[in-house]
Amino acid sequence: KQEVTQIPAALSVPEGENLVLNCSFTDSAIYNLQWFRQDPGKGLTSLLLIQSSQREQTSGRLNASLDKSSGRSTLYIAASQPGDSATYLCAVRPRNAGNMLTFGGGTRLMVKP
Amino acid sequence: NAGVMQNPRHLVRRRGQEARLRCSPMKGHSHVYWYRQLPEEGLKFMVYLQKENIIDESGMPKERFSAEFPKEGPSILRIQQVVRGDSAAYFCASSLYDRGLRSDTQYFGPGTRLTVL
Repeated sequence: KQEVTQIPAALSVPEGENLVLNCSFTDSAIYNLQWFRQDPGKGLTSLLLIQSSQREQTSGRLNASLDKSSGRSTLYIAASQPGDSATYLCAVRPRNAGNMLTFGGGTRLMVKP
Repeated sequence: NAGVMQNPRHLVRRRGQEARLRCSPMKGHSHVYWYRQLPEEGLKFMVYLQKENIIDESGMPKERFSAEFPKEGPSILRIQQVVRGDSAAYFCASSLYDRGLRSDTQYFGPGTRLTVL
């Protein structure tokens, strides 16, 4: 059974810092890995999707990497801003479990001005 | 192109009542997924549907919960005889038809927050 873990569970940093969020998964048989952002009381916004054949994806100040063999992904946020404050969720689509996504518990990020 | 729409956004029910949650997928999407987010927990898959078919309901509780995606109209997640433990945020996602091994992004709706008194 696929399990996804995110570390740390919560993170507080001053504005301007570069930071790394970690995601690990137990079964490397995945189609893809996706990073989402969730604001309090709101839905999920897809940030980056990395196919299993890819190593990384970039969008603006965000860079996500994938090391499938070791079951790890990192989300790098450059020059953090208060508007980046949210919960960041990592999700994998396992190869042997249909189309569902398996989510980690999330990292709650607070960027202080 | 409107995104995934869910209604109501907030729903309050008393124990024993029924809750009906609706999801309209993005235009052109024929796959719908329901996820539940309990307080202070991550999202958990519940059910995956295509038009008029339940493809995977491995995450659905065995009793009181049902889902449908009719040929016309939105997908419905129905919870009968709600209990306080059903209080959660219920998210719907949709995706394009997935041919072969292609892997498509799931787009999420804003969620329905169910509170059971």
